[in-house]
Amino acid sequence: NAGVMQNPRHLVRRRGQEARLRCSPMKGHSHVYWYRQLPEEGLKFMVYLQKENIIDESGMPKERFSAEFPKEGPSILRIQQVVRGDSAAYFCASSPQWAVSYEQYFGPGTRLTVT
Amino acid sequence: SQQGEEDPQALSIQEGENATMNCSYKTSINNLQWYRQNSGRGLVHLILIRSNEREKHSGRLRVTLDTSKKSSSLLITASRAADTASYFCATIDSGGSNYKLTFGKGTLLTVNP
Repeated sequence: NAGVMQNPRHLVRRRGQEARLRCSPMKGHSHVYWYRQLPEEGLKFMVYLQKENIIDESGMPKERFSAEFPKEGPSILRIQQVVRGDSAAYFCASSPQWAVSYEQYFGPGTRLTVT
Repeated sequence: SQQGEEDPQALSIQEGENATMNCSYKTSINNLQWYRQNSGRGLVHLILIRSNEREKHSGRLRVTLDTSKKSSSLLITASRAADTASYFCATIDSGGSNYKLTFGKGTLLTVNP
């Protein structure tokens, strides 16, 4: 059973470009979470999605950031018009329905560098 | 300050020694979890302790939870060089957002061979 997959693992974007980060949850998991880790910091919650629904996006910056988890395909975290401050590691995690309050399984992360 | 503050920020020990890391938090919690992150990698779940539990063991790991002091400790016994990593505590609140992990800044553990 493959774990949580994220791609790309490393992404370099110039200021003003768009960044698209993909996350495929573990098989059988219908809940996806995105977290951001700034250098020397712990992870910060961004958004919680179920298939076709955004449940909680309270951790997302109000502008330029969006997330989706379509019926088919991976979850996408999209950052428009990137700025240097967006440089960070972005982690996706997933859990099955019955374990929402418990362990989340993390992917390897996408390290975004904005030049 | 931040929920889930770990201390120390960094800890360096010799192989075979025990390592203790502490975590404090501010809210009422459903559970507290410890994760390990090797440099440049994703997080690996180590252990979960529920709010009604006081101590839990898993292999060389021992976790305690004191809800009256809002604190937890992670003890790694007989450490190995492979234990070198950052360790994070994370809490799940007992309120409505029972899915949101709130992480501390972590303790960087270095185990010297």
